[in-house]
Amino acid sequence: SQQGEEDPQALSIQEGENATMNCSYKTSINNLQWYRQNSGRGLVHLILIRSNEREKHSGRLRVTLDTSKKSSSLLITASRAADTASYFCATPETSGSRLTFGEGTQLTVNP
Amino acid sequence: SQTIHQWPATLVQPVGSPLSLECTVEGTSNPNLYWYRQAAGRGLQLLFYSVGIGQISSEVPQNLSASRPQDRQFILSSKKLLLSDSGFYLCAWSVLGYNEQFFGPGTRLTVL
Repeated sequence: SQQGEEDPQALSIQEGENATMNCSYKTSINNLQWYRQNSGRGLVHLILIRSNEREKHSGRLRVTLDTSKKSSSLLITASRAADTASYFCATPETSGSRLTFGEGTQLTVNP
Repeated sequence: SQTIHQWPATLVQPVGSPLSLECTVEGTSNPNLYWYRQAAGRGLQLLFYSVGIGQISSEVPQNLSASRPQDRQFILSSKKLLLSDSGFYLCAWSVLGYNEQFFGPGTRLTVL
């Protein structure tokens, strides 16, 4: 079964608003990662949060991790039209060599 | 700095024809290499990964195969394409011991 599952599947907001995406996973992890994919392009790594971290910031991105609930959230503040993309969470296998990706959240930011 | 290349960018092939997609990485040594397939609007399905030359792990039984003839070269092949092989193919690399992956630009394959 899918290790990482995002919700919502799709999110449409206005420029300037905040966007929150959630990810749930099933097994114990040592980190969780978020990636971004523009339409027709490869994925770009955004941020990695380790299991002993509860919150991490990078520019307008804020990621939280709740290992007791096996969930993570990605917040994009003051969204821009250029943030329109699909966002995926990913969790590593125990060996650390493979990642399992969720189905993604399609974010549309309307100008 | 490290870069990853994939080619071709797009490919249209008839059913039953062979396939060869190539991925090369520059600026790093002994990377882990990965092939993923992505259906439209969906997540990534891991097809193959490699931790070294000649070492290939297959994740999904199918008519595809992968090879790693050189340290920084990863090739995805098929002898006879099926309609279901259509999709967006992504190559990625990571540093052994770290989990962050770096993706290539992808190849859009359409099988007619």
